[in-house]
Amino acid sequence: RKEVEQDPGPFNVPEGATVAFNCTYSNSASQSFFWYRQDCRKEPKLLMSVYSSGNEDGRFTAQLNRASQYISLLIRDSKLSDSATYLCVVNSISGGSYIPTFGRGTSLIVHP
Amino acid sequence: DAGITQSPRHKVTETGTPVTLRCHQTENHRYMYWYRQDPGHGLRLIHYSYGVKDTDKGEVSDGYSVSRSKTEDFLLTLESATSSQTSVYFCAISQRERSDTQYFGPGTRLTVL
Repeated sequence: RKEVEQDPGPFNVPEGATVAFNCTYSNSASQSFFWYRQDCRKEPKLLMSVYSSGNEDGRFTAQLNRASQYISLLIRDSKLSDSATYLCVVNSISGGSYIPTFGRGTSLIVHP
Repeated sequence: DAGITQSPRHKVTETGTPVTLRCHQTENHRYMYWYRQDPGHGLRLIHYSYGVKDTDKGEVSDGYSVSRSKTEDFLLTLESATSSQTSVYFCAISQRERSDTQYFGPGTRLTVL
């Protein structure tokens, strides 16, 4: 079982829709959490960090639920340009270092 | 954008040949990482470095070695390339370890025939 799990999708939604992704992690000692965006054949880029209190950046809202060990990403008013793969990342301590573990990604397709 | 370059950007090689990929940063970040990305697996950590000459293994380190003789350069070597190492390789850097974001290079597409 992979340490960080995501539904691969694709999530196919119309413009203007609200869409939510979840990501579950198995290591209860995980320390920090992120969402990255990756466009086709490009490198991943940070979308937002995820804090325990939840955080919002424009149309994007990220939540962390430590008790249930998942993080979520909500995208409101979807744009065509939101089409991408969304990767969740969990940093956990291993052998004295913090090791990032990536989920396999969730594909989002926003259509007109 | 963070100053990270990878070279070469594309490479085709034959099974059994040695291959070295280079990651170069101009940000003076302490931590550097090598990942491979394959369909169905996502990004998997190969090796990482937490300082000059300080490296450690990641999830999929077999068949790979790394070296970091300068802060700005992190080299990934496939001693004897195999077809299973055909992949896209990404380098990443971060300033701090625990809670810091990573910045990725543009990737190297490696094909082993």
